[in-house]
Amino acid sequence: GNSVTQMEGPVTLSEEAFLTINCTYTATGYPSLFWYVQYPGEGLQLLLKATKADDKGSNKGFEATYRKETTSFHLEKGSVQVSDSAVYFCALGSGGSYIPTFGRGTSLIVHP
Amino acid sequence: GAVVSQHPSWVICKSGTSVKIECRSLDFQATTMFWYRQFPKQSLMLMATSNEGSKATYEQGVEKDKFLINHASLTLSTLTVTSAHPEDSSFYICSAGEASGRGEQYFGPGTRLTVT
Repeated sequence: GNSVTQMEGPVTLSEEAFLTINCTYTATGYPSLFWYVQYPGEGLQLLLKATKADDKGSNKGFEATYRKETTSFHLEKGSVQVSDSAVYFCALGSGGSYIPTFGRGTSLIVHP
Repeated sequence: GAVVSQHPSWVICKSGTSVKIECRSLDFQATTMFWYRQFPKQSLMLMATSNEGSKATYEQGVEKDKFLINHASLTLSTLTVTSAHPEDSSFYICSAGEASGRGEQYFGPGTRLTVT
């Protein structure tokens, strides 16, 4: 079956530091890959997505590249801000299914 | 973009009472909606898939008689927690996917339920 593995958090960084949150997946076929962000007390928001191999999703300075050869979709940002503090979920969606498979989430804490 | 709303955003109720949570897709029609439960510092747990005009499909271990789901229209799904107990206190999140979404979900802001 499908599964998503994320690095465990919390990840604690100083403002303007470089961020990487690792995500690897197992899936049959050719899934779409997503990163969702959850700010404190809120629901999830789609941050970025990629629908095929070598696609790069980007939004708000965050990027992730769909790497089929390593089955990875690592999230990166060159310079984090305090306002980026949130929980980040990696997810995949298989073709024909509405139901995404979520990773456990990685908490990011950015200090001024 | 697609917007999903939830109401209420938070609710406190007494043990033994029932609570209804509404999930609405505001600018698109959602034939399928999903209900999740999230415990503190944990990932989302899919509770059930709600299909317009038919019975919901519950995940294993979720009590269908306790968590009643109704999807009466293409824009509204409701989750009723019946005879709530303190262990039902949690953050409940709904989501909806468009027909061509291939797994992309639009999430509501969540409802914080506290049972005293």
